[in-house]
Amino acid sequence: QKEVEQNSGPLSVPEGAIASLNCTYSDRGSQSFFWYRQYSGKSPELIMSIYSNGDKEDGRFTAQLNKASQYVSLLIRDSQPSDSATYLCAVKIGGFQKLVFGTGTRLLVSP
Amino acid sequence: DADVTQTPRNRITKTGKRIMLECSQTKGHDRMYWYRQDPGLGLRLIYYSFDVKDINKGEISDGYSVSRQAQAKFSLSLESAIPNQTALYFCATSDFWGAQYFGPGTRLTVL
Repeated sequence: QKEVEQNSGPLSVPEGAIASLNCTYSDRGSQSFFWYRQYSGKSPELIMSIYSNGDKEDGRFTAQLNKASQYVSLLIRDSQPSDSATYLCAVKIGGFQKLVFGTGTRLLVSP
Repeated sequence: DADVTQTPRNRITKTGKRIMLECSQTKGHDRMYWYRQDPGLGLRLIYYSFDVKDINKGEISDGYSVSRQAQAKFSLSLESAIPNQTALYFCATSDFWGAQYFGPGTRLTVL
């Protein structure tokens, strides 16, 4: 079992819809969780971090964390074509200052 | 100015050549990382450093070496480049909470 799993997609949504991206992780001791957006050929860009159970909202983005079920999700409201990118889930494993990345979910937002 | 910079941005070289990729940061972070990214394989950790005197191997360190010249500088070397080291290379730093911030990347092609 991979430490961080994501559906590779592509996830296709129409402009204006809500995009829901999911991620599961295997280490129950994980405390920090991050979402990155990566455009093709560019570097990953941090868009959300979440550390406690529940929801965290930042503009059109909402991160949701459920440690009991070991999943973290990212909701993008009012999706725009410019949101089309690959979204990487990253988990800080245990006490180490290293992140384990999922392989990413490709999101396509059609006009 | 960018917080994390990488040079060169693109490099084409031949098998057997020595290559150095450089990374500098102005974020004041102690922790720095080198990753490579290949299509379908996601980000893989090559080396990481928690301070100038602390350097650690990642999951794919064979064929690579690093040097931490100062808190702000972390270089990656390929002593004798081979074609399967053709990839996109990223440098990153991390803050206290573990969030990582990436440089723009170096696209390396080994012929």
